[in-house]
Amino acid sequence: ELKVEQNPLFLSMQEGKNYTIYCNYSTTSDRLYWYRQDPGKSLESLFVLLSNGAVKQEGRLMASLDTKARLSTLHITAAVHDLSATYFCAVDMGNTPLVFGKGTRLSVIA
Amino acid sequence: DAGITQSPRHKVTETGTPVTLRCHQTENHRYMYWYRQDPGHGLRLIHYSYGVKDTDKGEVSDGYSVSRSKTEDFLLTLESATSSQTSVYFCAISATGGRGYTFGSGTRLTVV
Repeated sequence: ELKVEQNPLFLSMQEGKNYTIYCNYSTTSDRLYWYRQDPGKSLESLFVLLSNGAVKQEGRLMASLDTKARLSTLHITAAVHDLSATYFCAVDMGNTPLVFGKGTRLSVIA
Repeated sequence: DAGITQSPRHKVTETGTPVTLRCHQTENHRYMYWYRQDPGHGLRLIHYSYGVKDTDKGEVSDGYSVSRSKTEDFLLTLESATSSQTSVYFCAISATGGRGYTFGSGTRLTVV
């Protein structure tokens, strides 16, 4: 059974600081997704990582995938308040539904 | 340009009553999913469909049933609602099994 673990689950960051969210998974997979959810809203796709070593960047967010370590990271650079949200990773095993982590609730404070 | 809509958006119901949530898509995607979201649990799969009349259970399927009689609609039914089914329910669609999802806006269900 695939297990997906995110850490930390809660993160309070100061504006301007850098931080990394980690997503570990228990079974080999080479496809992983990151989603963002604002309070009371739905989930929006952030990044699609489809191979080992994949790196995607958008604005202050950068996601990477290491399939050998079964690890994806979401790096936040110089955080701003607008990045406050909950971030989910989800692992794709191919022919089965995505398995989601529990989410990381990020709060960026001045 | 939603492509996927859920109804109702909010519902309050009494324990023991049946409840049906609807997910409607205009993308002609093959795969449709129902998840529930609860604090501390993230998103957990209830049921999913890989085609008309083809459905399968997820990790938290007890107390729920689904139907998909046409490509665009996926219905989730709580046969007899319980307080433990108070949650936010999300529907998602996918063109293939491995391309990530597009989510609906969610249904907030409260069972009193």
